[in-house]
Amino acid sequence: DTGVSQNPRHKITKRGQNVTFRCDPISEHNRLYWYRQTLGQGPEFLTYFQNEAQLEKSRLLSDRFSAERPKGSFSTLEIQRTEQGDSAMYLCASSYTTASTDTQYFGPGTRLTVL
Amino acid sequence: AQSVSQHNHHVILSEAASLELGCNYSYGGTVNLFWYVQYPGQHLQLLLKYFSGDPLVKGIKGFEAEFIKSKFSFNLRKPSVQWSDTAEYFCASRGSSNTGKLIFGQGTTLQVKP
Repeated sequence: DTGVSQNPRHKITKRGQNVTFRCDPISEHNRLYWYRQTLGQGPEFLTYFQNEAQLEKSRLLSDRFSAERPKGSFSTLEIQRTEQGDSAMYLCASSYTTASTDTQYFGPGTRLTVL
Repeated sequence: AQSVSQHNHHVILSEAASLELGCNYSYGGTVNLFWYVQYPGQHLQLLLKYFSGDPLVKGIKGFEAEFIKSKFSFNLRKPSVQWSDTAEYFCASRGSSNTGKLIFGQGTTLQVKP
């Protein structure tokens, strides 16, 4: 069990550029989640997948944000035309869900700084 | 909308003091509850969780939490803290079996003085 991994760990970009983050979940976990965390706040839910299907998206996820999990394994989160307000830590989590339990395990995050 | 509130934003304790961090959630139905910890420079780690059954749950490193349905609370406790418990603590809830998303509180920063 190697844990959830995220790449890159840090990304600095200029306003208006596009960025893409990758998340590799714990193997055999069928659910994958994306959250965003800003300083002094708890993580805020963005979206999640069960296998390849994107089951829920937050209203926080504007049209500039898109997430994919094409083969039900790794996922990518793309932000187009970045804005300074997008600066945050982007967290990925995964879980193996059953009818009664679903425990999410988090990766180290990707810290995005938009200049 | 569902919410989670953590009453204490910053707690400072001396080693061996007892700890209780408050957490209240707003969802009135079946709820799953979690406490996560983030040590300096590390990622979020699960401390303990409640799905059903015994409302007193025990987690790692001597932590425990009690689910009190009538008070919508899930407070975290530890009888004697150590310097190594210095970290940020997050309470989270999942309010429906049909959704996977967690709702997090703002977090409580715990500083333990040696």
